[in-house]
Amino acid sequence: AQKITQTQPGMFVQEKEAVTLDCTYDTSDPSYGLFWYKQPSSGEMIFLIYQGSYDQQNATEGRYSLNFQKARKSANLVISASQLGDSAMYFCAMRGYGNQFYFGTGTSLTVIP
Amino acid sequence: DAGVIQSPRHEVTEMGQEVTLRCKPISGHNSLFWYRQTMMRGLELLIYFNNNVPIDDSGMPEDRFSAKMPNASFSTLKIQPSEPRDSAVYFCASSLGNTNTGELFFGEGSRLTVL
Repeated sequence: AQKITQTQPGMFVQEKEAVTLDCTYDTSDPSYGLFWYKQPSSGEMIFLIYQGSYDQQNATEGRYSLNFQKARKSANLVISASQLGDSAMYFCAMRGYGNQFYFGTGTSLTVIP
Repeated sequence: DAGVIQSPRHEVTEMGQEVTLRCKPISGHNSLFWYRQTMMRGLELLIYFNNNVPIDDSGMPEDRFSAKMPNASFSTLKIQPSEPRDSAVYFCASSLGNTNTGELFFGEGSRLTVL
């Protein structure tokens, strides 16, 4: 069974500072994908960033980067230069060989002005 | 291009009534997923389809829930009879391909309230 763990129910960060949201996963699939989504208070799910299990380099998308440590089975999201609009729920997700797409319980991020 | 379209956006019904949620995936996408989101349980995968075929329905809570995908452009999630504990936001999502590289595109969700 695949499992995604996000241990931080809530996080606070000062505007313009960087923040790391933790995610660990457990899978026996040799190939898998890791994703992060943002869910603002309006409720929509917004795709942020993707990391493949065989990718050698950490993924980056603008202010988002994924700190992928395969041996530790962690895929932490780093948001640089936080903005007030970054306040939202953030979900880590994994897609495995069987095409299932599982999500963690989420981390609520609040950016403080 | 239109995104994933779900209807209704909001549904309020009474316990025991039948509820049907509808989803139109993005054209060309061949994987479709139904999720339920609640404060208590987070995002739960209910069922997903590849090429209109249900692949894994192990997340469907019980026999009161059923899902169909009669063609590549339409899927339904039905609850019959509905119960107050079914109150949640139900998301439909689609993706291109059935590998682990494609991200999910979500609809705006259907908020269900069962009184």
